[in-house]
Amino acid sequence: DAGVIQSPRHEVTEMGQEVTLRCKPISGHDYLFWYRQTMMRGLELLIYFNNNVPIDDSGMPEDRFSAKMPNASFSTLKIQPSEPRDSAVYFCASSKRTGMNTEAFFGQGTRLTVV
Amino acid sequence: GENVEQHPSTLSVQEGDSAVIKCTYSDSASNYFPWYKQELGKGPQLIIDIRSNVGEKKDQRIAVTLNKTAKHFSLHITETQPEDSAVYFCVSGGGYNKLIFGAGTRLAVHP
Repeated sequence: DAGVIQSPRHEVTEMGQEVTLRCKPISGHDYLFWYRQTMMRGLELLIYFNNNVPIDDSGMPEDRFSAKMPNASFSTLKIQPSEPRDSAVYFCASSKRTGMNTEAFFGQGTRLTVV
Repeated sequence: GENVEQHPSTLSVQEGDSAVIKCTYSDSASNYFPWYKQELGKGPQLIIDIRSNVGEKKDQRIAVTLNKTAKHFSLHITETQPEDSAVYFCVSGGGYNKLIFGAGTRLAVHP
């Protein structure tokens, strides 16, 4: 498997624009996570899905952020409208639970810059 | 909510020395404690993990210990090498595979 695939790798956008980040998890994995990484706040869990259903979205900073998982092989994280403070590296990760917690595999991340 | 505290935030050692990173967690229901290594420009990658029914685990130069009573766990790297330089994260795993990351430790190994 190619691992978790995120696109784009880099995104530069103007404040107020809509941004969509994409993720393809590892085939067969039933958990998908979205994290945000900044120098100030470290790695924050934004939301995660189990079998395409959102389980916990308490980390989503505000209503401008939304995430979807229409099927087992694709997820999006959308920011609308974007703000400069949203600038960060966004990671997607996936895992397969086999009766107990297991390793999460991370993508390469999307570096978002909002100017 | 769940919280993981990690210390130190930065660690500088000479090649060949040992490095120790310590963490505490708050969620009593946590039962899975992985450690991740993140190199520049990449996503975090698992290096070792330990479950709540085990107190210690070793893999070559890396060892982890867990004290569930005190809610402490730690990472030990012996005979450090320059390629060990990276950011290390301790993680607390609870229900539904939820993984909460510590703030990270930037380890620098000097030749």
